[in-house]
Amino acid sequence: DVKVTQSSRYLVKRTGEKVFLECVQDMDHENMFWYRQDPGLGLRLIYFSYDVKMKEKGDIPEGYSVSREKKERFSLILESASTNQTSMYLCASSFPRLAGGYENTGELFFGEGSRLTVL
Amino acid sequence: GQQVMQIPQYQHVQEGEDFTTYCNSSTTLSNIQWYKQRPGGHPVFLIQLVKSGEVKKQKRLTFQFGEAKKNSSLHITATQTTDVGTYFCAGLWGAQKLVFGQGTRLTINP
Repeated sequence: DVKVTQSSRYLVKRTGEKVFLECVQDMDHENMFWYRQDPGLGLRLIYFSYDVKMKEKGDIPEGYSVSREKKERFSLILESASTNQTSMYLCASSFPRLAGGYENTGELFFGEGSRLTVL
Repeated sequence: GQQVMQIPQYQHVQEGEDFTTYCNSSTTLSNIQWYKQRPGGHPVFLIQLVKSGEVKKQKRLTFQFGEAKKNSSLHITATQTTDVGTYFCAGLWGAQKLVFGQGTRLTINP
């Protein structure tokens, strides 16, 4: 089974702190994603990466950065946490939609989520 | 940017009643995926629709993709308490980037 592991289920941080959210997947997926989930807003894409050292901005990248030094690991960084970044953060991974001549489903496999509270 | 609108936001039904959630995009999608998130859990992939007019069934769940590939629906027949959760559609434009709808939260009175 695919496993996507997020380092922390619950975090409480103070305004201005630097926050690292780590995500590791064990299925050799090329694509990795960071979403935040807020009531009534669904899942909003922050950043995604389709290869090591590659990253693309999603719909709400402001206030966030990411790092992908190894294929299995994708980190989300909040340089200076603010109260409006209190949210559930979900990491996901997938094969690319077209890979090696085969069309994969591209279905996302999600981690359990990290609930961040910024005070 | 690309957006997927999903309605309704909430739906409460009696057990045994049917349930439908709808997704709409203003532009043509490459495909659409559906996910279910149980309370306290993470989204889990249900299905992907790719072809215009496609209809797929999984037991009591029926998924449809519109002829213009701009809308989709999920219909659950005779709901059961195990169907409780939030259902998300996610539209794909191009190759990699999925955009999720706001989700429909289904609650069921047993």
